[in-house]
Amino acid sequence: AQRVTQPEKLLSVFKGAPVELKCNYSYSGSPELFWYVQYSRQRLQLLLRHISRESIKGFTADLNKGETSFHLKKPFAQEEDSAMYYCALVSGGYNKLIFGAGTRLAVHP
Amino acid sequence: SAVISQKPSRDICQRGTSLTIQCQVDSQVTMMFWYRQQPGQSLTLIATANQGSEATYESGFVIDKFPISRPNLTFSTLTVSNMSPEDSSIYLCSAGGPGFGETQYFGPGTRLLVL
Repeated sequence: AQRVTQPEKLLSVFKGAPVELKCNYSYSGSPELFWYVQYSRQRLQLLLRHISRESIKGFTADLNKGETSFHLKKPFAQEEDSAMYYCALVSGGYNKLIFGAGTRLAVHP
Repeated sequence: SAVISQKPSRDICQRGTSLTIQCQVDSQVTMMFWYRQQPGQSLTLIATANQGSEATYESGFVIDKFPISRPNLTFSTLTVSNMSPEDSSIYLCSAGGPGFGETQYFGPGTRLLVL
């Protein structure tokens, strides 16, 4: 079955600390993986996708097929990074997204 | 990219009634999607709506409960029929397809409370 697992509901760090939000997936075939972010009172928006291999707002994510993971990392967290983060997987031929449960990142001053 | 608006932004409804949610995209898109986000939960896909064809529903969702229209390439509606308190959720519309890669752009959501 296709599934995205985000084991942490809440990740709480201090400003300047490194951040790693975990994402594991189950998918037969070559996965297309994304991180979406939802800031307070804003709509869900794309943060990054693995295929573009870019860094957005200092965040990076590397697809590890051996470990079936797509963890989101940032070396130095900022208070404005506080948000809800969702890992998602494209499924099937209709670009359907399967979302993980989400991780709330709280960055404290 | 695409900018998506939804109406209404929120509503409070009585059980047994129906509510239609509208989703408008600022450009033509091939695919539109409807998601539900129940309190404290993640997003669950209800159905995929392509213009000119019947919507494709995910397991656990049926057309009688969630009829969808897709009259053109910029607009879709989702109706939540014969509502019960269990239908209280945020309903989100998204758009994507060729021209957007696999990226989906999301509307702001409609927050529904059923009493």
